[in-house]
Amino acid sequence: EVQLVESGGGLVQPGGSLRLSCAASGFSVSSYWTSWVRQAPGMGLEWVASIKQHGSERIYVDSVKGRFTIFRDNAKNSLYLQMNSLTAADTAVYYCARVRTYYDSGNSQYFFDSWGQGTLVTVSS
Amino acid sequence: SYVLTQPPSVSVAPGQTARITCGGNNIGSKSVHWYQQRPGQAPVLVVHDNSDRPSGIPERFSGSNSGNTATLGISRVEAGDEADYYCQVWDSSSDPVFGGGTKVTVL
Repeated sequence: EVQLVESGGGLVQPGGSLRLSCAASGFSVSSYWTSWVRQAPGMGLEWVASIKQHGSERIYVDSVKGRFTIFRDNAKNSLYLQMNSLTAADTAVYYCARVRTYYDSGNSQYFFDSWGQGTLVTVSS
Repeated sequence: SYVLTQPPSVSVAPGQTARITCGGNNIGSKSVHWYQQRPGQAPVLVVHDNSDRPSGIPERFSGSNSGNTATLGISRVEAGDEADYYCQVWDSSSDPVFGGGTKVTVL
């Protein structure tokens, strides 16, 4: 059974840093794209960052580029999100998710097939 | 970036069919995926690749995609279907994007 368990959320002051962790089981993070998706209070889902299963390709939403870093530790089978220079706009529940990929219509296609329960990050003074 | 537009809310009586739309420019040329998020819970994939259901998702959930609109259908609606529903697209030519979400209320 695929499981994703996030940790590391909490209250942080504006300008501060936080590192989120996501422990995976039932699959290997080195074999799948994995991602972080966030949800601000009362708002919809927003994709944040993804890391490819092979190599080091990473992609980020524009609003976090240069501030957030997604990385993984294959030995610990875990995904991480290092968040720096946090602002109130980063306040959200952060979910890690496994990504399924397939090929269709001449393109690679991707969707999030398993999600963790989320960890709350609150940026406030 | 690509924009997905969903109605904020849909109301449906128990036993009826709910239809949730997801609009996008020529979305019919893309693969659309749908997620259910019950209050206080994490999202759950209910339809992928326009119309395929993951294991464990009831046949009451269906999807279609053509032109500028993708649609998630929920037949024989039950109280437990009350949730927020999100559409999503992501291919090798663009970054992931979610629709704004639709709150389904069972009357």
